[in-house]
Amino acid sequence: NSKVIQTPRYLVKGQGQKAKMRCIPEKGHPVVFWYQQNKNNEFKFLINFQNQEVLQQIDMTEKRFSAECPSNSPCSLEIQSSEAGDSALYLCASSLLTHYEQYFGPGTRLTVL
Amino acid sequence: GDSVIQMQGQVTLSENDFLFINCTYSTTGYPTLFWYVQYSGEGPQLLLQVTTANNKGSSRGFEATYDKGTTSFHLQKTSVQEIDSAVYYCAMRDRAGGNYKPTFGKGTSLVVHP
Repeated sequence: NSKVIQTPRYLVKGQGQKAKMRCIPEKGHPVVFWYQQNKNNEFKFLINFQNQEVLQQIDMTEKRFSAECPSNSPCSLEIQSSEAGDSALYLCASSLLTHYEQYFGPGTRLTVL
Repeated sequence: GDSVIQMQGQVTLSENDFLFINCTYSTTGYPTLFWYVQYSGEGPQLLLQVTTANNKGSSRGFEATYDKGTTSFHLQKTSVQEIDSAVYYCAMRDRAGGNYKPTFGKGTSLVVHP
């Protein structure tokens, strides 16, 4: 069973508000991924890290989204100014190597009113 | 670029029916292929994976064979149970350098009636 911890499980924000969620990867996993899963179950890759360094990120992430994985602290994903279209399940996953299997957390369900 | 195609959005079966979920992929690299399963209210979890062509992965009664010739990695189970109701994702990760982003299919929702 995965031991990736995501908090909070549920997050409700108004439009324009900041939304921040956290992830503690499996112990010993240096690679962390963030995904957005929409109501149709489709995954959208947002960003990934190896240790504290960004490996890849999509354009959306560069604009309103920010993420970090500081040493000895939880990883985080923050939306600077939430929009209704950001309502989704945000999944964090960790991996031993970039091409190995990923271990997912239960997700943070964001609702933007 | 890399792509994974799952044509079936939803599959509805009765217990003890045979399950087949189609998955095809496209890549110019060296793929590792995965099936993940997501139960309601949970994050996805790995069901099985293979890295070498013609290899078969199996877990909990599910099987998938990596066919390099047809670029397919279909999922099968001989006899499904109600507890198998979940969303199944085919995924691919290119082992060649430079692209660290895994590619997921759109998912197939399996509903098994008792």
